[in-house]
Amino acid sequence: NAGVTQTPKFQVLKTGQSMTLQCAQDMNHEYMSWYRQDPGMGLRLIHYSVGAGITDQGEVPNGYNVSRSTTEDFPLRLLSAAPSQTSVYFCASRPDRGIYSPLHFGNGTRLTVT
Amino acid sequence: TQLLEQSPQFLSIQEGENLTVYCNSSSVFSSLQWYRQEPGEGPVLLVTVVTGGEVKKLKRLTFQFGDARKDSSLHITAAQPGDTGLYLCAGAGNKLVFGAGTILRVKS
Repeated sequence: NAGVTQTPKFQVLKTGQSMTLQCAQDMNHEYMSWYRQDPGMGLRLIHYSVGAGITDQGEVPNGYNVSRSTTEDFPLRLLSAAPSQTSVYFCASRPDRGIYSPLHFGNGTRLTVT
Repeated sequence: TQLLEQSPQFLSIQEGENLTVYCNSSSVFSSLQWYRQEPGEGPVLLVTVVTGGEVKKLKRLTFQFGDARKDSSLHITAAQPGDTGLYLCAGAGNKLVFGAGTILRVKS
């Protein structure tokens, strides 16, 4: 199994540009989520989904949109990139909605906004 | 707001040394997860501790959950260069909260 696959691995954007970070999982996991990781701040939850057609906001949702049309895919859209969105983004999934289950992470997308 | 503080933030040691990293909070957690993250990769789960006072061992790594379920520690015996990475704790309460992590570098 590939697990959680994120693309691209690196991306540079200019302020105001838009883009979509892709995330796919092949484990039939119900729960998927997006985190951003910044030095000294740990992982912060952006958006999450507990199943196809259901999404909700996390801790830092502003500037990001998500959708979940299938169980496998959970793309993250930046509508108008800002330098404050420079970060490493991780997609993570787990089998169910319970927070006690371990998260399976992708290998991240490093985004730089100039 | 539930917060998790990890210490130290950075640790650089020689191969063969022992070390302990800490994960502390003023909040009670139902369980606590430890992850290790290598450069360019995502975090990978090492262990989950659930019961207050619980001790789990994973080869040279020993994890302990505090009696009050507010803190946890990770002890590594005879560290090796392969142990190098970012160690993250995550507490499960009404939501999953991550600490900022401890960067460990083991020099050969």
